[in-house]
Amino acid sequence: ETGVTQTPRHLVMGMTNKKSLKCEQHLGHNAMYWYKQSAKKPLELMFVYNFKEQTENNSVPSRFSPECPNSSHLFLHLHTLQPEDSALYLCASSQVFGLEAFFGQGTRLTVV
Amino acid sequence: GQQLNQSPQSMFIQEGEDVSMNCTSSSIFNTWLWYKQDPGEGPVLLIALYKAGELTSNGRLTAQFGITRKDSFLNISASIPSDVGIYFCAGQGYGGSQGNLIFGKGTKLSVKP
Repeated sequence: ETGVTQTPRHLVMGMTNKKSLKCEQHLGHNAMYWYKQSAKKPLELMFVYNFKEQTENNSVPSRFSPECPNSSHLFLHLHTLQPEDSALYLCASSQVFGLEAFFGQGTRLTVV
Repeated sequence: GQQLNQSPQSMFIQEGEDVSMNCTSSSIFNTWLWYKQDPGEGPVLLIALYKAGELTSNGRLTAQFGITRKDSFLNISASIPSDVGIYFCAGQGYGGSQGNLIFGKGTKLSVKP
């Protein structure tokens, strides 16, 4: 059982839709991350939050908008996505910024 | 930037066989992590290594942090069907964005009963 919970597990959305992915960690960790996993590519770090402050934005398009209201919750707001944005989106957390990360089960996103 | 080369890309083995996979980096890392990912799930941390030369076991899994700090390997002994999945190495380097874990592309393991 993972201490990092992501919802929804699956999401299909049109290119004009607006949706949000949610992540919640029950581990008391201080850092949270969003990763994108596409087929045959390494995990790509998208955003990093450390003590609720965004510390990293790896050149992610503005159609992805993160929000971290507290150390336990992380959101990824999606709008006007493209089909190539279809992927598995993984949330992770770590006790200390930069150390071993624990992942959620991911949200399988399909953009149609 | 830092890159990780993970090999092999895939392995097809018979149940009971031992497995070995490795990762090499173009630069020095101060942490190596090994994850396993089952289909439709997120990666699960298997082993974490923090010191050069460190050898750590977790059941049938053994991983080592290379002396040069640029490589790591993972061994699985006496494989079983539930070992099937994708294994990822991840490393954290010095300098730059210290919070970034760099991931390998994964080794897909298939075990034939």
